[in-house]
Amino acid sequence: NAGVTQTPKFQVLKTGQSMTLQCAQDMNHEYMSWYRQDPGMGLRLIHYSVGAGITDQGEVPNGYNVSRSTTEDFPLRLLSAAPSQTSVYFCASTQRGGVNTEAFFGQGTRLTVV
Amino acid sequence: QKEVEQDPGPLSVPEGAIVSLNCTYSNSAFQYFMWYRQYSRKGPELLMYTYSSGNKEDGRFTAQVDKSSKYISLFIRDSQPSDSATYLCAMRGNQGGKLIFGQGTELSVKP
Repeated sequence: NAGVTQTPKFQVLKTGQSMTLQCAQDMNHEYMSWYRQDPGMGLRLIHYSVGAGITDQGEVPNGYNVSRSTTEDFPLRLLSAAPSQTSVYFCASTQRGGVNTEAFFGQGTRLTVV
Repeated sequence: QKEVEQDPGPLSVPEGAIVSLNCTYSNSAFQYFMWYRQYSRKGPELLMYTYSSGNKEDGRFTAQVDKSSKYISLFIRDSQPSDSATYLCAMRGNQGGKLIFGQGTELSVKP
């Protein structure tokens, strides 16, 4: 059982380039989210999805796109990378319903935009 | 103003000390309150959760929620060097998809 898998683990981009951060989960969770983590800022929600075909914006959505065509996958696309998007990105998945709806996180993608 | 505020520290304590970590929040719709622990270069992992107000104890860890004051706490008794990590509070309403985090507190327990 792999849990939440993020690829790549590290990436360096030039300003203006685009790329897709991959996230896959094998727990059949309905909810998936993308966060970015910056020093002193904690985890800030970028986009989230409550099921296949349904996405919504979080706190810091500008410059990012998402789609959810399957339950398992939730890719995050950077349209035109900027130095301000240098960060560590975490994908998380959560089972719908119940009291203890623990969010499971991937290991993160460290992105540097130069 | 952020919905969830947490003192980022860093916090350094000697081994065996009692540690108190706190968060305040502004959204009265929050019903589920969690504490995540994050070791360096790893993803966060759930440490404890509480639904609505009250206390919850798990070994050396105690979580408290005071909804009237919009204030949550995590206490660590007999702290150990292995407790050195960043602790993040998180909370959400009844919709499970949108989890809001505090800034995280970096804790160092010195032997």
